[in-house]
Amino acid sequence: EPEVTQTPSHQVTQMGQEVILRCVPISNHLYFYWYRQILGQKVEFLVSFYNNEISEKSEIFDDQFSVERPDGSNFTLKIRSTKLEDSAMYFCASSVSPVGGGPGGYEQYFGPGTRLTVT
Amino acid sequence: AQSVTQLDSHVSVSEGTPVLLRCNYSSSYSPSLFWYVQHPNKGLQLLLKYTSAATLVKGINGFEAEFKKSETSFHLTKPSAHMSDAAEYFCVVSVGKLVFGQGTRLTINP
Repeated sequence: EPEVTQTPSHQVTQMGQEVILRCVPISNHLYFYWYRQILGQKVEFLVSFYNNEISEKSEIFDDQFSVERPDGSNFTLKIRSTKLEDSAMYFCASSVSPVGGGPGGYEQYFGPGTRLTVT
Repeated sequence: AQSVTQLDSHVSVSEGTPVLLRCNYSSSYSPSLFWYVQHPNKGLQLLLKYTSAATLVKGINGFEAEFKKSETSFHLTKPSAHMSDAAEYFCVVSVGKLVFGQGTRLTINP
């Protein structure tokens, strides 16, 4: 069964450093997302991406964050200068369609997550 | 704005007894609703989804949820809990992006 993969599973970095989190979405999916979950809190939407453009972003997704689809398979989240409060689990997700589209059209498939620890 | 509220942060049941995880939603139109499960150190797995086809939705691992518009609820149930059901459960509404509830931790006692 196709699945979303993420690397690395755990990343430790020092405050102020840049990190790149990588995701390989399911191959026929067109919409890509990043979410994060700070320890003990709920999962929060960061950004959605379609057709090589950001389609929506949350207030959390400020200028320190960027996303890219550098080739036909990878989808990356970059944090330019990490802060302590960026420590969280980051989930990548992909879907065929964001809304509508019949059975499975709404469904987002999640990767296993990358745990980012900023020290 | 669309939102979901999970009424219990922690539910504890004995193995073999029924499970009820409660979720209320707020939506200005007919929503798409989901339940996701997160096992320890694992990613988020879709349990079931409601997309206006049928109000009683069956999911994986024996879970069901019933959409009740009059009560704005989408509670998750299972007739008989297994030890493997111990996990965090999230009620989610879709507005293109997903909006998650706070989560309910389900503990199963032997």
